[in-house]
Amino acid sequence: AQSVAQPEDQVNVAEGNPLTVKCTYSVSGNPYLFWYVQYPNRGLQFLLKYITGDNLVKGSYGFEAEFNKSQTSFHLKKPSALVSDSALYFCADPWGKLQFGAGTQVVVTP
Amino acid sequence: NAGVTQTPKFQVLKTGQSMTLQCAQDMNHEYMSWYRQDPGMGLRLIHYSVGAGITDQGEVPNGYNVSRSTTEDFPLRLLSAAPSQTSVYFCASRPTGQDYGYTFGSGTRLTVV
Repeated sequence: AQSVAQPEDQVNVAEGNPLTVKCTYSVSGNPYLFWYVQYPNRGLQFLLKYITGDNLVKGSYGFEAEFNKSQTSFHLKKPSALVSDSALYFCADPWGKLQFGAGTQVVVTP
Repeated sequence: NAGVTQTPKFQVLKTGQSMTLQCAQDMNHEYMSWYRQDPGMGLRLIHYSVGAGITDQGEVPNGYNVSRSTTEDFPLRLLSAAPSQTSVYFCASRPTGQDYGYTFGSGTRLTVV
């Protein structure tokens, strides 16, 4: 079984600054981990996934995520945030039923 | 390529009424799921299906029924609507295999008064 947790309800960042959204996981076995984004009044969109291989995973819209086994983390990152990145971000565990973290609201200010 | 289509987009029900939220996908995906999204609660799994004729309960199944007679369709039935079921409902689908991401519909915003 596997589950994920997002420790921050909200992350505030100024446009142009680096953005990090945190996710930790608990695992029994090899973890599969996903990130999704939800823009206002929209459904969720798949951003990226970690299955196996490189610890740095690149995804859509300039986002990347770093898998860290020793810290059981899968943090989402973007080197330079845009105002349009303001959205709700979900870390997810796809084993079986696809369980989501509670979500982190990202607010990027001009 | 329509993806996952949910209807209706908005619905207001009176307490005690029943209704069906429709979900259809045209990608021949085996897995389909229903989630509800409430403020501060993230997404919670209601029911899911791993293929036609097979359904199972998720985290919050009470008050909801599902069936999966075809690969394409996965309707969610509210038996007797309650104000606690006011929420945004999302349907999602994916192919077989844990390394595939889900494709989500655009959601149904349901208000029960």
